[in-house]
Amino acid sequence: DAGVTQSPTHLIKTRGQQVTLRCSPKSGHDTVSWYQQALGQGPQFIFQYYEEEERQRGNFPDRFSGHQFPNYSSELNVNALLLGDSALYLCASSFGQGVLNSPLHFGNGTRLTVT
Amino acid sequence: QQPVQSPQAVILREGEDAVINCSSSKALYSVHWYRQKHGEAPIFLMILLKGGEQKGHDKISASFNEKKQQSSLYLTASQLSYSGTYFCGTEWMAGNMLTFGGGTRLMVKP
Repeated sequence: DAGVTQSPTHLIKTRGQQVTLRCSPKSGHDTVSWYQQALGQGPQFIFQYYEEEERQRGNFPDRFSGHQFPNYSSELNVNALLLGDSALYLCASSFGQGVLNSPLHFGNGTRLTVT
Repeated sequence: QQPVQSPQAVILREGEDAVINCSSSKALYSVHWYRQKHGEAPIFLMILLKGGEQKGHDKISASFNEKKQQSSLYLTASQLSYSGTYFCGTEWMAGNMLTFGGGTRLMVKP
């Protein structure tokens, strides 16, 4: 049973460029959440997708956008990259938005470096 | 608001016990605990729901004090494999986003 898979594992971009990160949820999961984790800090919530719609959003600018596909996989897009966007981007899947006792299953993340 | 974890770091010898605390200024619905090893994904440990009982498995357990809006993670007779960074994630209503604390770095030495 495959867990959460993310691609690519590492990425180096230049300021001002755009990037797309991809996530496939764990089998049986239908909800995908994206988190940004700076070095030495806890994950910060970006947004959550359920039934192909953005359901919740954290305190991130509109440069961060996403999409969920009918097969539940998801993409995170970041436009006009800033140096401060350098971080580990974690995708987490779960079953059913609002379902009790639904833990998050995380992928290994995409390490984004902006130069 | 981000929950506050304490201590920020702790070093133990194998077999010693540790307690990690997670406090919120907002009324909570649930508290989740995760452990992350360097370069790896956070791994789910347990969920504590408002009004629920203390949970645990093996030698790791946790409690949730609703009056104080605080959860504590108890690691008993620590093993080398317990090393990593522990994060609490708080949820103020069912299905709401999970907000993580800054983490507690735990190192268990032989």
